[in-house]
Amino acid sequence: EPEVTQTPSHQVTQMGQEVILRCVPISNHLYFYWYRQILGQKVEFLVSFYNNEISEKSEIFDDQFSVERPDGSNFTLKIRSTKLEDSAMYFCASSEGVLTEAFFGQGTRLTVV
Amino acid sequence: AQSVTQPDIHITVSEGASLELRCNYSYGATPYLFWYVQSPGQGLQLLLKYFSGDTLVQGIKGFEAEFKRSQSSFNLRKPSVHWSDAAEYFCAVAQGTNFGNEKLTFGTGTRLTIIP
Repeated sequence: EPEVTQTPSHQVTQMGQEVILRCVPISNHLYFYWYRQILGQKVEFLVSFYNNEISEKSEIFDDQFSVERPDGSNFTLKIRSTKLEDSAMYFCASSEGVLTEAFFGQGTRLTVV
Repeated sequence: AQSVTQPDIHITVSEGASLELRCNYSYGATPYLFWYVQSPGQGLQLLLKYFSGDTLVQGIKGFEAEFKRSQSSFNLRKPSVHWSDAAEYFCAVAQGTNFGNEKLTFGTGTRLTIIP
């Protein structure tokens, strides 16, 4: 069964460093998303991406964040200068079309020290 | 703005007993509703979804949910829980736009503990 794959599963980085979280969505999907879940809190939407551009972003997704689909298969989330409060589980998701369910990856746990 | 409320933070159920997890939503138009399950250290797995049609939807692992517009609810049920059902359960609502934006708004989750 096709699945969304995220790498790495766990990333530890120093405050102020740049990190790139990687995702390989399901191959025929057209819509891509990043969510995050701070430990013990609910899952929060960060950004959605369609047709090579951001379609919506949340207040969390400030200038420190960016997304890219560099090669038609990968979908990346970059945090330019990490802060302690960026520590969270980051989930990538993809969906096939309008109002079909989103399939989530296993997540990348980001720890900023 | 849309919102989802899961009133129960933690529920403990005996193995073999029935289960109902509550979910209330706030959304101006017809909602598109989902239940996801998250096992410890794992990602989010879709249990079931409601888009339209029959208000009682069946999902995987023996779960079902009923959409009740009059009560703005989408409660998840299972007639007999198994120890492997212990997990965190999230209700979510989506909005669709002409651009296919399916941003999900999640509830705070209900942690389910199963006791022998």
